[in-house]
Amino acid sequence: DIQMTQSPSATSASVGDTITITCRASHIIANYLAWFQQRPGSLPKRLIYGASSLQTGVPSRFSGSGSGTDFTLTITSLQPEDFATYYCLQYNSFPWTFGQGTRVEIK
Amino acid sequence: QVQLLQSGAEVKKPGASVKLSCKASGYTFTSYEISWVRQAPGQGPEWIGWISVYNGNTKFAHKFQDRVSLTSDTSTDTSYLEMRSLTSDDTAIYYCARVGHNYGLDSPYYFDFWGAGTLVTVSS
Repeated sequence: DIQMTQSPSATSASVGDTITITCRASHIIANYLAWFQQRPGSLPKRLIYGASSLQTGVPSRFSGSGSGTDFTLTITSLQPEDFATYYCLQYNSFPWTFGQGTRVEIK
Repeated sequence: QVQLLQSGAEVKKPGASVKLSCKASGYTFTSYEISWVRQAPGQGPEWIGWISVYNGNTKFAHKFQDRVSLTSDTSTDTSYLEMRSLTSDDTAIYYCARVGHNYGLDSPYYFDFWGAGTLVTVSS
């Protein structure tokens, strides 16, 4: 199975900051990776698919990059509604697997 | 608009089985697949499995392949997850999500729409 390792597990930031979350796959997954945002009490919301394609309706301050085994989610100019937990998911091969999550907290 | 309507909360005793439903609307049911994900309290999402609504093919995470069944009814545009031999570790919210795996890995249809989730509580 492909293991997905996210880092950091948690980070503190202020409104207006830029943060980067990384996700590393244990095997090559090309660009078949999605990023999700989950606010407390809500279901996961897809932000990025295909490693770098922005979901319709998601603000352009969110961006994804990477290919192969190393991926990043960057959020520029953090907004109050961006404080949430973020997960990556690989769908290159079954079984599909999620990263363990990165909690973004207000500093 | 695409919607996935999931069945209501369940409370089960250890050792019991549960069957959850996910009714699709707003798109051609047989043109996409359904994947199931669960999330235990305070934990991240965990992928359970995938079903091709078109031909019934399924894939599972290893830990679920012996006690989870995925089925679909194309006459009602509904997909089902059945889990057997429940334990307290199965207490979680169970989500269904739309997937377009048949369109190829480069398609934009991986987990683009989700159901609201079904809370399953396993307690004696």
